[in-house]
Amino acid sequence: QPVLTQPPSASASLGASVTLNCTLSSGYSNYKVDWYQQRPGKGPRFVMRVGTGGIVGSKGDGIPDRFSVSGSGLNRYLTIKNIQEEDESDYHCGADHGSGSYFGEVFGGGTKLTVL
Amino acid sequence: EVQLVESGGGLVQPGGSLRLSCAASGFTFSNYWIHWVRQAPGKGLVWVSRINSDGSSTSYADSVKGRFTISRDNAKNTLYLQMNSLRVEDTALYYCARAEGGFSYGSLDYWGQGTLVTVSS
Repeated sequence: QPVLTQPPSASASLGASVTLNCTLSSGYSNYKVDWYQQRPGKGPRFVMRVGTGGIVGSKGDGIPDRFSVSGSGLNRYLTIKNIQEEDESDYHCGADHGSGSYFGEVFGGGTKLTVL
Repeated sequence: EVQLVESGGGLVQPGGSLRLSCAASGFTFSNYWIHWVRQAPGKGLVWVSRINSDGSSTSYADSVKGRFTISRDNAKNTLYLQMNSLRVEDTALYYCARAEGGFSYGSLDYWGQGTLVTVSS
């Protein structure tokens, strides 16, 4: 199954922009990836799905327009513009895999976003 | 409003058993695949298991295969996870999550708040 790699941490100043990256392992460039936001002490919240052509489907409930996605090759990006304090969260990427002996979700290790 | 509420977590000794429940409301439960995902303290998300809409198809992570059993009661709008032969490494917050659109490959569009399982002697 694919391996999803995320940098463990990122930071950005209030009002600035940041792009978070999720990299798929080789051979999985056609995979779509889901982004999830997890605020401290809360359950994950679906942000949106991304493929190489950009967003797939709709954003999750209440996700502001400041959040956008893009994809290229093995990379799937989540960009947050005009960062607010409430954006300080862990961001996880995940992908569905269904072949061979593995039928389920695969998650990256998560990126902790700090708002300065 | 879509809601998923987990319960049943607690402290259990290694080798013991526990049954988690996930009560669903605000949507037609019987139309959706549902997943269990866990998160060890301070760690990332790890997929555990999933079940199709009528309960006839299930799949598991290798780490829990043969020890955990996922099931559902659509009449009660409730998902279950029976956990046997528990290990210290099963200690985690356990979330249930709905797969969007009624598809196995749907995004996990709604999650519960989790129930904590601690395996320790």
